[in-house]
Amino acid sequence: DTGVSQDPRHKITKRGQNVTFRCDPISEHNRLYWYRQTLGQGPEFLTYFQNEAQLEKSRLLSDRFSAERPKGSFSTLEIQRTEQGDSAMYLCASSMGQFHYEQYFGPGTRLTVT
Amino acid sequence: GQQLNQSPQSMFIQEGEDVSMNCTSSSIFNTWLWYKQDPGEGPVLLIALYKAGELTSNGRLTAQFGITRKDSFLNISASIPSDVGIYFCAGQSGYSGAGSYQLTFGKGTKLSVIP
Repeated sequence: DTGVSQDPRHKITKRGQNVTFRCDPISEHNRLYWYRQTLGQGPEFLTYFQNEAQLEKSRLLSDRFSAERPKGSFSTLEIQRTEQGDSAMYLCASSMGQFHYEQYFGPGTRLTVT
Repeated sequence: GQQLNQSPQSMFIQEGEDVSMNCTSSSIFNTWLWYKQDPGEGPVLLIALYKAGELTSNGRLTAQFGITRKDSFLNISASIPSDVGIYFCAGQSGYSGAGSYQLTFGKGTKLSVIP
């Protein structure tokens, strides 16, 4: 049973560029979550999907951020016109059915905006 | 918004000692979870708690869901070097298909174990 995978693990980009991250949840998990974590802090919720529907979005998810989960499988998180403040670890998690409270995290994508 | 206060922020202990850490909230949560995170990796789920007063163990780890639903505790017995890492508590207010499923995290307790 493979866990949550994320790609890439590291991304360095220049300010103003667009970046896209991918998350593959645990197979058969119908819920998928995105979090952001900065140094010295716990993860902060960004958004979540149940199957392909995006059901909740945080105020942290500015209009430069967009997330999709076509066909209810993998998900992508895109950041347009990146800013230095976007530098963080972006974490994806998934959960399933009765145990949707138990979220399993991927290894994260470390974004550095220069 | 909801905030979780975790304490202590960091601790240094001798190998073999027991460890206690806790998490408090100004809001009620219906689920409490404890995670461990190693540098450069995602959090790993250790224990999930679903009922006020519940005490749950996972090997050397024991966690409790406070009866007020505003706090939780994690104990590690007989610590070993691989226990080193950052421990996070997380609360969730959703239940029975209603409410929010987002997790609210504390800032973490950094554990160092001296061999």
